Amino acid sequence: AIRMTQSPSSFSASTGDRVTITCRASQGISSYLAWYQQKPGKAPKLLIYAASTLQSGVPSRFSGSGSGTDFTLTISCLQSEDFATYYCQQYYSYPPLTFGGGTKVEIK
Amino acid sequence: EVQLVESGGGLVQPGGSLRLSCAASGFTFSSYWMHWVRQAPGKGLVWVSRINSDGSSTSYADSVKGRFTISRDNAKNTLYLQMNSLRAEDTAVYYCAREGRDTRGSYYSFFVYWGQGTLVTVSS
Repeated sequence: AIRMTQSPSSFSASTGDRVTITCRASQGISSYLAWYQQKPGKAPKLLIYAASTLQSGVPSRFSGSGSGTDFTLTISCLQSEDFATYYCQQYYSYPPLTFGGGTKVEIK
Repeated sequence: EVQLVESGGGLVQPGGSLRLSCAASGFTFSSYWMHWVRQAPGKGLVWVSRINSDGSSTSYADSVKGRFTISRDNAKNTLYLQMNSLRAEDTAVYYCAREGRDTRGSYYSFFVYWGQGTLVTVSS
């Protein structure tokens, strides 16, 4: 199985900050990577697929980059509604589909 | 509007069984592969199973293989997950999810649409 490792697992940031979350795959996955945002008690929300394609309706302050094994999610100007947990997911090879362990973005 | 509505969760004893359902609407259900993803309390997302559009092909996570069975009824626009021999570690919110399509219309296993989740608790 392809293992997805996110870093950091959590951090604190302030509104207006630029934040970057990293996801590393244990083997190359081309650009078959998605990013999700999840808030407590809610289903995940797709932000980005194909590593860098912004899902319709998602604010442009979110962006994704990378290919192969190393990927990043960037929020250019953190808003209050962005405090949440973020997950990456590979869909290059399965079973199993695999998710990263999550990165919790908390208010500083 | 695409909607996925899960039901069937609840409290079950270890070794027991439960069947989850996911009622789909707002899209051509029979055209899409469907998946189950679970999330234990306070933990991350874990893929459980998927079924192809006509139900002829399925796959499972190793942790549920031989105990869980995914199926679908395209006439009823409903996805199912039959869970047998349940263990405490199966305790989780279970989400059904529909595969996505990219801008060219190709299908991929990322998830735009999710249900609201149904909680399964395995405990004596």
